Amino acid sequence: EPEVTQTPSHQVTQMGQEVILRCVPISNHLYFYWYRQILGQKVEFLVSFYNNEISEKSEIFDDQFSVERPDGSNFTLKIRSTKLEDSAMYFCASSEALHQGAGDTQYFGPGTRLTVL
Amino acid sequence: LAKTTQPISMDSYEGQEVNITCSHNNIATNDYITWYQQFPSQGPRFIIQGYKTKVTNEVASLFIPADRKSSTLSLPRVSLSDTAVYYCLVGDMDTGRRALTFGSGTRLQVQP
Repeated sequence: EPEVTQTPSHQVTQMGQEVILRCVPISNHLYFYWYRQILGQKVEFLVSFYNNEISEKSEIFDDQFSVERPDGSNFTLKIRSTKLEDSAMYFCASSEALHQGAGDTQYFGPGTRLTVL
Repeated sequence: LAKTTQPISMDSYEGQEVNITCSHNNIATNDYITWYQQFPSQGPRFIIQGYKTKVTNEVASLFIPADRKSSTLSLPRVSLSDTAVYYCLVGDMDTGRRALTFGSGTRLQVQP
């Protein structure tokens, strides 16, 4: 069964450093997403991406964050200058765009645990 | 966006049927109800989705009464591996908004 993959599984960085989290969505999917989950808290939406542009973003997704699909398979989340509060599990997801809105099932990857020291 | 309320936690034993009820009193006409499951340190996983009445798949059943103000996820004969957090989400099917809004979920603990 196809699945979303993410690398690395764990990233440790110093405050102020840039990090890039990588995702390979399911191959025939058209929508891509990033969510994050701070330890012990809810899963929070960050951004969705379709047709090479951002489709939606939350208030968390400020100028420190950016997303890119550099080639036909990868989808990346960049955090330019990490802060302590960016420490979280970051999940990538993708969906087929068969349905509108919330009807489109999202398939999540295993996550990258980001630790900012 | 319809607010959902579900129990914080539930306990069960292996082999039992588990029913988790979610209330969504202000659900809108175009909203669908979706349930996700999350194991510790893993991403959420889609379980089931429905609009009204009953939906069943190989994993679970979803019961939605006529007024749609609540829904019940039914897990038949749970095993230890069903220990997870279960999220009820309500979302609009007719807009371009695809962002999923997760609540705190229901933490299900299955014991031997």
